[in-house]
Amino acid sequence: DTAVSQTPKYLVTQMGNDKSIKCEQNLGHDTMYWYKQDSKKFLKIMFSYNNKELIINETVPNRFSPKSPDKAHLNLHINSLELGDSAVYFCASSQGTNEKLFFGSGTQLSVL
Amino acid sequence: KQEVTQIPAALSVPEGENLVLNCSFTDSAIYNLQWFRQDPGKGLTSLLLIQSSQREQTSGRLNASLDKSSGRSTLYIAASQPGDSATYLCAVAMNMRGKLVFGAGTILRVKS
Repeated sequence: DTAVSQTPKYLVTQMGNDKSIKCEQNLGHDTMYWYKQDSKKFLKIMFSYNNKELIINETVPNRFSPKSPDKAHLNLHINSLELGDSAVYFCASSQGTNEKLFFGSGTQLSVL
Repeated sequence: KQEVTQIPAALSVPEGENLVLNCSFTDSAIYNLQWFRQDPGKGLTSLLLIQSSQREQTSGRLNASLDKSSGRSTLYIAASQPGDSATYLCAVAMNMRGKLVFGAGTILRVKS
């Protein structure tokens, strides 16, 4: 059983489209995150939810909207996709806000 | 603004060697520091987490040390194996909300 699973693994789409990435964790963790890894491999946090409450919202364009329907799920919806959104998006979870992180395997987003 | 630097950017060693990866950070007011490994096309795996009050953590052949006052951490890998080949990243938590700031990573290759 995969602890943190995200779908899809690959996402290729045209500029201007709207897309979603889904994430689920079966570890019973309270906190979930979205990270973005750019082409230079730098990882930067985008959002964090603790018990369905948004606790970290970095300087991310409004086109990115996270949604946490319950503690085990954190989805990422992106409107009006741009070329610069191409990256690998990682979902992660942890028991508390400063515990070990468990990462999903990533979603490679390519905007053409 | 916290900046995390990892040296070297890449390292190639023969199997069996002991090696040290370095991580430095500019703001010593951290909550904890984590070391991760990332395999190509995969997510990150947390290796060790050191709380700000701790000096080191050990797991098997891995030992991580933390010198908060000087803004440095090292990851020591004993008796390296080809399976250790991966990118190693360090990340510091700046506050209780769990925001991690990552370094760019060290690409390690262990030759058999």
